[in-house]
Amino acid sequence: GAVVSQHPSRVICKSGTSVKIECRSLDFQATTMFWYRQFPKKSLMLMATSNEGSKATYEQGVEKDKFLINHASLTLSTLTVTSAHPEDSSFYICSARDPSGLTYEQYFGPGTRLTVT
Amino acid sequence: LAKTTQPISMDSYEGQEVNITCSHNNIATNDYITWYQQFPSQGPRFIIQGYKTKVTNEVASLFIPADRKSSTLSLPRVSLSDTAVYYCLVRGGADGLTFGKGTHLIIQP
Repeated sequence: GAVVSQHPSRVICKSGTSVKIECRSLDFQATTMFWYRQFPKKSLMLMATSNEGSKATYEQGVEKDKFLINHASLTLSTLTVTSAHPEDSSFYICSARDPSGLTYEQYFGPGTRLTVT
Repeated sequence: LAKTTQPISMDSYEGQEVNITCSHNNIATNDYITWYQQFPSQGPRFIIQGYKTKVTNEVASLFIPADRKSSTLSLPRVSLSDTAVYYCLVRGGADGLTFGKGTHLIIQP
């Protein structure tokens, strides 16, 4: 099956710094990737849709200037958390849609645990 | 977007068959039903997807009645490693997914 990777798997940063998370589709080209956030004991919440070669689409309530998304190639999307604060500490998960699939199946990465101190 | 309702938690024992039912009364004609499994601190893993009747793969079966207003995920002969959160999603297009609260399945020895 399709494989999506994320890097790093966990990161600790100081308040006020920026952190970049990478999401890669390893064996397929993904024109669309998605970024989710999950707080402890909560469900995943869609943050934004990342489209290759164009601007990301953000869900209501998600600050686009704080969560910068770049989808520069068909296999890589990056999420940069700028000026991170402790409340940004969360589990960030990306997914990618294989355009060759018939039913828009999404494949998820393993997630990145961000802790802001 | 069709809303889904599923039990918050379920318990079972190793070797048993587990059935998790999901209600989706407002499912649209072009919506598919998809189930994901998530372990703590991991991304969700695709289990099975269907449109109508019955779908079976190597890990699960999905039963969908004719009116498609509900679906049942069936896990045969569960083991301790099947303890996880199971999400039922209903979606039709290529948009991002809306996750409900899921069902926390606990398998005991």
